[in-house]
Amino acid sequence: SQQGEEDPQALSIQEGENATMNCSYKTSINNLQWYRQNSGRGLVHLILIRSNEREKHSGRLRVTLDTSKKSSSLLITASRAADTASYFCATEPNYGGATNKLIFGTGTLLAVQP
Amino acid sequence: DAGVIQSPRHEVTEMGQEVTLRCKPISGHNSLFWYRQTMMRGLELLIYFNNNVPIDDSGMPEDRFSAKMPNASFSTLKIQPSEPRDSAVYFCASSLGWERAYNEQFFGPGTRLTVL
Repeated sequence: SQQGEEDPQALSIQEGENATMNCSYKTSINNLQWYRQNSGRGLVHLILIRSNEREKHSGRLRVTLDTSKKSSSLLITASRAADTASYFCATEPNYGGATNKLIFGTGTLLAVQP
Repeated sequence: DAGVIQSPRHEVTEMGQEVTLRCKPISGHNSLFWYRQTMMRGLELLIYFNNNVPIDDSGMPEDRFSAKMPNASFSTLKIQPSEPRDSAVYFCASSLGWERAYNEQFFGPGTRLTVL
C-alpha cells in the first residue's frame, strides 16, 4: 500500500501564480523527497528534507515538513508553463535506520496555463 | 554520464509470452530499484538491490515476476508468463546506496509494456 497521499489530485493555475501541493504519510520517516514527472518521462528529483528539518528552499521551491502531523507541502512560486507536470512526494520509512527505500504518494497533476 | 538506461522503451507482447526488461544503472551507484506505474495503483516499488543483493522484494506481485542483478551495471526484470494486467510502465532507478544517507534516486525513461 502507498505511504503517501497528496492533495489536491489536480491543480490548475495561471502563469505567475503560486502552486501549493500537500502530502500526508503514515509512519515514521528518515526523510521526505519531492519528485517531478513530465508526461511520458521518468521521475526527476527536486528536493529532499530530512526528518529533523522543518523547511527547505531551492530556487522557486519551498518545502515544509511537520513530522507531528505527518505532512509536507511543496510550494512553487511564480509558476511557469514549463512547471506543468505531476509532482510526487516520497518518504524513506524509518525502520530503525537508513532503509534506502522510498514509498511514493499518489501525485498531484499541476497544469500552469500561459 | 548517460543516466539510467532502460530497454526496450516499448514492448508489446501477447498473453503467455515471456518479457524481459533491462536496466543499466548510473556508474558508481550501489542501489537499484524497479517500480511499476499504472493509473489505478500509482507508482509501486517492486524490488530493490543494494550492492547487487536483493534487499526487499515484498512488492513483487507474484511468482511470475523475477529480478536479477548479476553485476553492478546490469539488472533484469522478467515476467513469465505475462498477463494483460501486467500492462504498465516499468521504471528502473538507481542511487548511491547505503553509504550515503538521504540519497536521491535517479530514474530511467521507463519501459511501456502492453500485454494483449
